[in-house]
Amino acid sequence: SQQGEEDPQALSIQEGENATMNCSYKTSINNLQWYRQNSGRGLVHLILIRSNEREKHSGRLRVTLDTSKKSSSLLITASRAADTASYFCATDNTGFQKLVFGTGTRLLVSP
Amino acid sequence: NAGVTQTPKFRVLKTGQSMTLLCAQDMNHEYMYWYRQDPGMGLRLIHYSVGEGTTAKGEVPDGYNVSRLKKQNFLLGLESAAPSQTSVYFCASSTLAGNEQFFGPGTRLTVL
Repeated sequence: SQQGEEDPQALSIQEGENATMNCSYKTSINNLQWYRQNSGRGLVHLILIRSNEREKHSGRLRVTLDTSKKSSSLLITASRAADTASYFCATDNTGFQKLVFGTGTRLLVSP
Repeated sequence: NAGVTQTPKFRVLKTGQSMTLLCAQDMNHEYMYWYRQDPGMGLRLIHYSVGEGTTAKGEVPDGYNVSRLKKQNFLLGLESAAPSQTSVYFCASSTLAGNEQFFGPGTRLTVL
């Protein structure tokens, strides 16, 4: 079963707007990662945040982690049409040797 | 570096046929994974390997077998394909468990 659930399932915005996606998970984690998947392609790693971190930045990406609420959010600022993709969170659960992926958010950025 | 490559890119099988999907990585990664992705869903782990000569079951292992005879290669086999195995298959690798994973481009498999 999937560990993470992303919200919303789909998001449609205009170029220049910010996009926020949320991820909830169920068990304790070592870290949480976000991946992007362009249509018909493999996943690309975006950012990793460890369980003892609360916020992390990478370029136009900002990730927050709230372990008390078992949730994370991914913010993409000043979105571009090229950001159109599906975004997945994945958790490295304590005691396991594998990532568990969520169901994804489909982001559409219109010019 | 080519990263993670998968062979073939597309394949159509008839029910009951067998095939092997090949994954190769040139990053000297210890860990390798096979996932399947069905429409509207995230990735589900089929099998994984923590090193050469080792394999372990993931979330959905039934109907699949794997082998890791060489560190750089991870093979996924379907002994008797079923329509329920129609999916896109992704291979990935990582240096350690829980680290970022590097993905191949995928294999689109259709079982008629």
